[in-house]
Amino acid sequence: GNSVTQMEGPVTLSEEAFLTINCTYTATGYPSLFWYVQYPGEGLQLLLKATKADDKGSNKGFEATYRKETTSFHLEKGSVQVSDSAVYFCALIPDYKLSFGAGTTVTVRA
Amino acid sequence: NAGVTQTPKFRVLKTGQSMTLLCAQDMNHEYMYWYRQDPGMGLRLIHYSVGEGTTAKGEVPDGYNVSRLKKQNFLLGLESAAPSQTSVYFCASSRARSSSYNEQFFGPGTRLTVL
Repeated sequence: GNSVTQMEGPVTLSEEAFLTINCTYTATGYPSLFWYVQYPGEGLQLLLKATKADDKGSNKGFEATYRKETTSFHLEKGSVQVSDSAVYFCALIPDYKLSFGAGTTVTVRA
Repeated sequence: NAGVTQTPKFRVLKTGQSMTLLCAQDMNHEYMYWYRQDPGMGLRLIHYSVGEGTTAKGEVPDGYNVSRLKKQNFLLGLESAAPSQTSVYFCASSRARSSSYNEQFFGPGTRLTVL
């Protein structure tokens, strides 16, 4: 079956720290991979995506590279801000239904 | 454009009561989805619809019913609420079959508590 495993949280960081959230997946075929972000009190928003091996998705200073050999799609940001405090979800589409990871809560302190 | 809206934002029910959650989208999307979000479990698909008048079961459909009488609306019903249905419910829509080119857009969520 298709599944996504995310690094457990919560994660607490200071402003300007480096953030990494690990994500690995199991899927048949060649899924597209996504990171969604959920800010407090809001719905999910697409943060970035990658459609094939070695693709790098990027947005708002976040990056993630599709690594087929390690079945991973780790999210990184070099210098976080308080406004990056949110829940981050890794997801994949092997066919047409999104499968989500459990989510990682990130809190950035000033 | 309002995007995807959900009504109500919060609701408290007693066990055995019924209610309907309304999802509306103004983007003329064909596909609509209902998810539930529980701590440590991410989002799980309850039901989805690939067009007006159609519905299909997702990953966790038991205890829920849905209807898509109009293209812009997707209703989620709980006939007899149970405490296990306490959750945050999200509606989403996509222009066509979800893929890397057809993003799902999410509503703000409905927080439901069943006592």
